Amino acid sequence: AQSVAQPEDQVNVAEGNPLTVKCTYSVSGNPYLFWYVQYPNRGLQFLLKYITGDNLVKGSYGFEAEFNKSQTSFHLKKPSALVSDSALYFCAVRVDTGGFKTIFGAGTRLFVKA
Amino acid sequence: GAVVSQHPSWVICKSGTSVKIECRSLDFQATTMFWYRQFPKQSLMLMATSNEGSKATYEQGVEKDKFLINHASLTLSTLTVTSAHPEDSSFYICSARDLAGVNEQYFGPGTRLTVT
Repeated sequence: AQSVAQPEDQVNVAEGNPLTVKCTYSVSGNPYLFWYVQYPNRGLQFLLKYITGDNLVKGSYGFEAEFNKSQTSFHLKKPSALVSDSALYFCAVRVDTGGFKTIFGAGTRLFVKA
Repeated sequence: GAVVSQHPSWVICKSGTSVKIECRSLDFQATTMFWYRQFPKQSLMLMATSNEGSKATYEQGVEKDKFLINHASLTLSTLTVTSAHPEDSSFYICSARDLAGVNEQYFGPGTRLTVT
């Protein structure tokens, strides 16, 4: 079965420090991987995606993610966190098996402390 | 970029009444739209997939008679919560697939439903 795991419910980091939000996946076939961010009472905003090509993907607001096929991971990273990065982050995998379905991880809440 | 709107952004209704939520793709045609439900501090759960002009496909455990979905045009899908109960209170998010463009999925801002 297709699945996405975000092992951390919450990540705390000090402003200016690097941050990592972890994601692992399990799919059959080649994965389409995504990161989204959600602010309170808002919908999801697209951050970045991996479809094919370079394993290091750069996205919005200085975020990047590295696709690691052997570890089936797609961790989200940022070199220097901002307080405004505090939000809920979702990793997602898209499967295209006769239908088009996006499966979301449980979400990781990021707190960046000033 | 592509924009998906939802209306209303929040709604309060009494138990037993029905409420309709609209989802519109503003600058692209969406042959497929998705409805998600999100409980506090939880992930998005796909409720149903709707294709323009055909019946929606509901995920297991979602009552199709309670959550009526209509996708009458390439830019509009509606979700009607019928005979709402307090346990239907949730954040509902729609998403639209841009088939003509880069085949991406765009999300609406969500609708907060509170049933009293």
